[in-house]
Amino acid sequence: EAEVAQSPRYKITEKSQAVAFWCDPISGHATLYWYRQILGQGPELLVQFQDESVVDDSQLPKDRFSAERLKGVDSTLKIQPAELGDSAMYLCASSARLAGEVEQFFGPGTRLTVL
Amino acid sequence: AQSVTQLDSQVPVFEEAPVELRCNYSSSVSVYLFWYVQYPNQGLQLLLKYLSGSTLVKGINGFEAEFNKSQTSFHLRKPSVHISDTAEYFCAVSEAGGFKTIFGAGTRLFVKA
Repeated sequence: EAEVAQSPRYKITEKSQAVAFWCDPISGHATLYWYRQILGQGPELLVQFQDESVVDDSQLPKDRFSAERLKGVDSTLKIQPAELGDSAMYLCASSARLAGEVEQFFGPGTRLTVL
Repeated sequence: AQSVTQLDSQVPVFEEAPVELRCNYSSSVSVYLFWYVQYPNQGLQLLLKYLSGSTLVKGINGFEAEFNKSQTSFHLRKPSVHISDTAEYFCAVSEAGGFKTIFGAGTRLFVKA
C-alpha cells in the first residue's frame, strides 16, 4: 500500500539552530501539503504545492520557514532559526489533484522539540 | 472563509456504548465535509466524507455521519465503540470548488473497558 514517507520521525534541537524535514508523497500525487499541528490542536496548513509551484503559503512564517519541491516530487521544509514556539508535529500530506473534495493522505509526521 | 468547531474536546465512553462526536461549521458557500482519525504518533486517516447527495454518509470502522445543512452540523456517530477506537478525531471543511481544507481542533475519544 502506497504511503507518504517523512523523516526524521523525531527531532530535538536548540533554539536558533536550523532544522529540516523531508517528505516523499505517494507516487503520482501532484498536490503536497505541509501542516503544523500544535499539541491539542488541529492541523494548520503552512504551505501547499501543485507540482513544483506554491499555491498557498499565506500561513507560512516566511522570515524563518522555507519550503521547496524542486522537481515536483519530494519536498523539504526548513526552519532557520528555530524558536521555542516551533515545537509541534509537522505533518506532510499528498493528494491526487488540487481540489477540495479529494482525500488527503498523511504521513506519520515529524515531532519537533525546540529546547 | 470557512471555520470548524468541534464542540467537545474529550469524550469518555464505555466499550460497546454508542458515541456521537459533534462538529459545526460556518461557511457562506457550499462545502465539502470530512472526518479524519489520528492514532497516537501517526498521521491522519480519512474516515468518511460528504460531497453531495445523501446526507447520511457511511465510513470505515463502522462510523457514519449526517450532514445537516440547516444546523450547519456534521456529527459523527458509531452505535457501539471498541477499545481500538480510542484516538483523536478531526472534523474538516473545504469550500466546494476550492482547494483549501480547514481542520477543527479535534475531539479525543477515550473508550473505557
